[in-house]
Amino acid sequence: AAGVIQSPRHLIKEKRETATLKCYPIPRHDTVYWYQQGPGQDPQFLISFYEKMQSDKGSIPDRFSAQQFSDYHSELNMSSLELGDSALYFCASSLVGTDTQYFGPGTRLTVL
Amino acid sequence: SQQGEEDPQALSIQEGENATMNCSYKTSINNLQWYRQNSGRGLVHLILIRSNEREKHSGRLRVTLDTSKKSSSLLITASRAADTASYFCATDAFQGAQKLVFGQGTRLTINP
Repeated sequence: AAGVIQSPRHLIKEKRETATLKCYPIPRHDTVYWYQQGPGQDPQFLISFYEKMQSDKGSIPDRFSAQQFSDYHSELNMSSLELGDSALYFCASSLVGTDTQYFGPGTRLTVL
Repeated sequence: SQQGEEDPQALSIQEGENATMNCSYKTSINNLQWYRQNSGRGLVHLILIRSNEREKHSGRLRVTLDTSKKSSSLLITASRAADTASYFCATDAFQGAQKLVFGQGTRLTINP
């Protein structure tokens, strides 16, 4: 069965640079979620989209923005990167009316 | 963690033994899910239990939910070396918000 696809899997950036993370949800899933997991931490919700509209917002810095496109894929844009942004970034998808969120393999972002 | 505690934080047992992990949460919930994460990798969905359910089984997994105590337990029977991973519980808030709030996780090590 198709799973959530995230790209790139690994990304190394310098401080103050910009990064774009991409997420391709499971086919026919209409809701996408982004989570951030710092080293040794539990995943923290950042933002979610349903039918291309932002549906919920968590502890996402103002330097980050995200959107969902007409083909339901989503991108997380991160600017003015800081050392503390180094983390695993997960995308998850679900189908409205169901409760299970299926997670992608994550993008490991390292900021030097 | 925004959600609560997982207990124990680390658990080491012999292969073939049973492993029990506990999770507590703070708010009313719609459902509770358990995820497994191998080191630095993606989150794999294990099982979902709804707020009106008390117990659920899936293969070697047994999950209980006590909404009066705001707690859940995950039992893995006849453990295998491949069960070595971190286990997280995650809840979504009652009525509406589908974002998941994760517990701190239990690091389970199965010794051969």
